[in-house]
Amino acid sequence: GAVVSQHPSRVICKSGTSVKIECRSLDFQATTMFWYRQFPKQSLMLMATSNEGSKATYEQGVEKDKFLINHASLTLSTLTVTSAHPEDSSFYICSAPPGTGVGYGYTFGSGTRLTVV
Amino acid sequence: AQSVTQLDSHVSVSEGTPVLLRCNYSSSYSPSLFWYVQHPNKGLQLLLKYTSAATLVKGINGFEAEFKKSETSFHLTKPSAHMSDAAEYFCVVSNNNDMRFGAGTRLTVKP
Repeated sequence: GAVVSQHPSRVICKSGTSVKIECRSLDFQATTMFWYRQFPKQSLMLMATSNEGSKATYEQGVEKDKFLINHASLTLSTLTVTSAHPEDSSFYICSAPPGTGVGYGYTFGSGTRLTVV
Repeated sequence: AQSVTQLDSHVSVSEGTPVLLRCNYSSSYSPSLFWYVQHPNKGLQLLLKYTSAATLVKGINGFEAEFKKSETSFHLTKPSAHMSDAAEYFCVVSNNNDMRFGAGTRLTVKP
């Protein structure tokens, strides 16, 4: 089945630095990727939708300049948290809609736990 | 370690009939459990969540789910399906450090 590989699974960074999270679609082409964040005991919140070859669509209240999303190819979407602060500490996860193959469902990355110290 | 199993990859019902989407979980901790819905080309939308309060959880659009610890289940139900309910549904188990998604259940609603 379709797999989305998300890296890193955990990252600790210092305040003011930037962190890049990658989601790669394996064995299928992901023209769209959804990016979510989750705070402890809270539900997922959609941050943005990336589309290959075009600008990402951000949800209301999400800072575009802080959460840079790039979808440069059909198999790679990245989220860069710029100038990270402790309040950015969260669980980030990506999701790709069904690929072009028969029987594929929505596929989720394994998530990235970001801790900013 | 924790995991979640959605027992049906595809459920088809007629409009106006009840909906049952099954979810079983495994968790070493007291889990938080969620049901999300995803319509085509849309992001996930939270239907309801269980976080150790009432075991019967009511969500949006007439959906509800019951947490049954003895059966490690968190099945999603709705008394009467509507055409707009056709979508993909995900059961999710989570604690502070980990989240696991079910494989999803595609709900089809026939007129």
